[in-house]
Amino acid sequence: AQKITQTQPGMFVQEKEAVTLDCTYDTSDQSYGLFWYKQPSSGEMIFLIYQGSYDEQNATEGRYSLNFQKARKSANLVISASQLGDSAMYFCAMSPNFGNEKLTFGTGTRLTIIP
Amino acid sequence: EPEVTQTPSHQVTQMGQEVILRCVPISNHLYFYWYRQILGQKVEFLVSFYNNEISEKSEIFDDQFSVERPDGSNFTLKIRSTKLEDSAMYFCASKGDRGSYNEQFFGPGTRLTVL
Repeated sequence: AQKITQTQPGMFVQEKEAVTLDCTYDTSDQSYGLFWYKQPSSGEMIFLIYQGSYDEQNATEGRYSLNFQKARKSANLVISASQLGDSAMYFCAMSPNFGNEKLTFGTGTRLTIIP
Repeated sequence: EPEVTQTPSHQVTQMGQEVILRCVPISNHLYFYWYRQILGQKVEFLVSFYNNEISEKSEIFDDQFSVERPDGSNFTLKIRSTKLEDSAMYFCASKGDRGSYNEQFFGPGTRLTVL
């Protein structure tokens, strides 16, 4: 079974600052993927970034980067130069890299950007 | 850009009634999923579907639930006799062939309210 833990229920960050959202995971799978999704107040789930367990380099997508520390089983999301539009719920998720690859989600972190 | 669509956006029903939630996955995708999110909680996996059959289902997905892909484009979730606790946001997701990347694309969700 896979498990995702997000220990920060809420965070407040000043606009233009960088922010790190924590995510730790537990799995017995050797090959897996880690994901971050953003859920604004409108409710949709927006994919942000993906990291494969065998990827040697940390994933980056624009202002988003994933700080992947395999030995520590952590996959923290870093948002650089935060913007007001970044205010949302952020979910970390994982799936095995075989079979039908259902996503297991964490409880999420509500990020609020302060002007 | 192709996207997953879901209808209706909001469904209100009486307890005990049947509801059908509809999804149109991305056209060349092969794997289909339903997730639900009770208000304020994390996203939970319900069921995955591949090659016209259920691949995996969670404990939530009991006999009251069923899925169907009646034609080449639609993917439906039926709840036979709704309960108050079925009130949630229901997300459909789809994924293409595995390759080296296994992002699931989410639809905008259907908010189900059971009275």
